[in-house]
Amino acid sequence: AQTVTQSQPEMSVQEAETVTLSCTYDTSESDYYLFWYKQPPSRQMILVIRQEAYKQQNATENRFSVNFQKAAKSFSLKISDSQLGDAAMYFCAYRRGRNAGGTSYGKLTFGQGTILTVHP
Amino acid sequence: DTEVTQTPKHLVMGMTNKKSLKCEQHMGHRAMYWYKQKAKKPPELMFVYSYEKLSINESVPSRFSPECPNSSLLNLHLHALQPEDSALYLCASSQAGTRGGRGVDTQYFGPGTRLTVL
Repeated sequence: AQTVTQSQPEMSVQEAETVTLSCTYDTSESDYYLFWYKQPPSRQMILVIRQEAYKQQNATENRFSVNFQKAAKSFSLKISDSQLGDAAMYFCAYRRGRNAGGTSYGKLTFGQGTILTVHP
Repeated sequence: DTEVTQTPKHLVMGMTNKKSLKCEQHMGHRAMYWYKQKAKKPPELMFVYSYEKLSINESVPSRFSPECPNSSLLNLHLHALQPEDSALYLCASSQAGTRGGRGVDTQYFGPGTRLTVL
């Protein structure tokens, strides 16, 4: 079974600074997808960024980027130029790929989450 | 457009009540999901519908009854709930394609229904 571990229950950052959230996962499969979701106090889960395991290039979305280390099974999220609106709980999630025997509807395995506080 | 809507936003019900949660998406997605989330915890998968058929039931008690009337709608019928069922209930949807195809099957979430059982 796959597991996802977020070892930082809480993190804080000053506005305009950079912060990195850690995520490691355990899987025996080679085909899978990884996601970072953000859940602000409103509690809507918002997709931040996603990464296909077969792609070596790290995904980026504006101020958000990932450091995907497939061999180390690590998937960290870097937030640059942090803003007050980035304050939220961040979840790392894993999904089996279709070619790994996964179905076309994917069950997400979530980490326990990291609460990010942004100080003005 | 990546919008999933859920109604109601808040629901308070007694243990003998019957109520329903509603979820709707118009993105042409063919997979829809119900999750339960307790405060400061990750979402827990309850049900998955794929092409309007129940594909996954994560051993959820029968007091929760899902229904998928069409490809855009997903309901969760509630009956005889317990106080420990109080939680945020999230709906999500994703494209469901043919097996073996590339492409990320990303789940998009609705804003949730905050349920309180008295």
